Amino acid sequence: SELTQDPAVSVALGQTVRITCLGDGLRSYFANWYQQKPGQAPVLVIYGKNNRPSGIPDRFSASSSGNTASLTITGAQAEDEADYYCNARGSSGDFWVFGGGTKLTVL
Amino acid sequence: QVQLQESGPGLVKPSETLSLTCTVSGGSISNDYWTWIRQPPGKGLEWIGDIYYSGSTNYNPSLQSRVTISLDTSKNQISLKLSSVTPADTAVYYCARNKYELLTGYRLDVWGPGTTVTVSS
Repeated sequence: SELTQDPAVSVALGQTVRITCLGDGLRSYFANWYQQKPGQAPVLVIYGKNNRPSGIPDRFSASSSGNTASLTITGAQAEDEADYYCNARGSSGDFWVFGGGTKLTVL
Repeated sequence: QVQLQESGPGLVKPSETLSLTCTVSGGSISNDYWTWIRQPPGKGLEWIGDIYYSGSTNYNPSLQSRVTISLDTSKNQISLKLSSVTPADTAVYYCARNKYELLTGYRLDVWGPGTTVTVSS
């Protein structure tokens, strides 16, 4: 995959967690972030530089530096336990790729 | 409120062609990209390809030789065909709208619930 994510991350309830996504294409394109809970379709949580769709809590935010994009959850809640995927254009720009996904556990 | 619904056979035999349809309701398929994504059991998301309302397409290089995405504007539908399938093509298949805005770029903002396709004899 052109985008690399840590397979699993854990966070204590109410604490802050950062999920990262690495890829050369991220030097040119912002990543979008999707949350997926078991048995459900993914849901967009962050897009562009740092934009949240309507209904997404403001504890979700994003940042980017060099070849790394990050999704930060400030004050993680039990309902944030899910798989998170980054998504961006591939290095040639004419196709898209997903990261392998990060399973977030809220302790 | 745009909604998407995937449909098609849940079981396909190896070497045959998988055919799925995504029906768009609550809006038009004009002026956006429409994307197919799949997810094998227990694995991550894989971008298959997309189509613009004009008919231009982009495909995942790893699937390009087997994939065709088309649209029917009269029916507000997007179709996916994947030829010469093997058990490795077993997955949940999703369609999604890839919406563009000048200041924020593209994002997959609306997804269908997905449809499960099993490749088995």
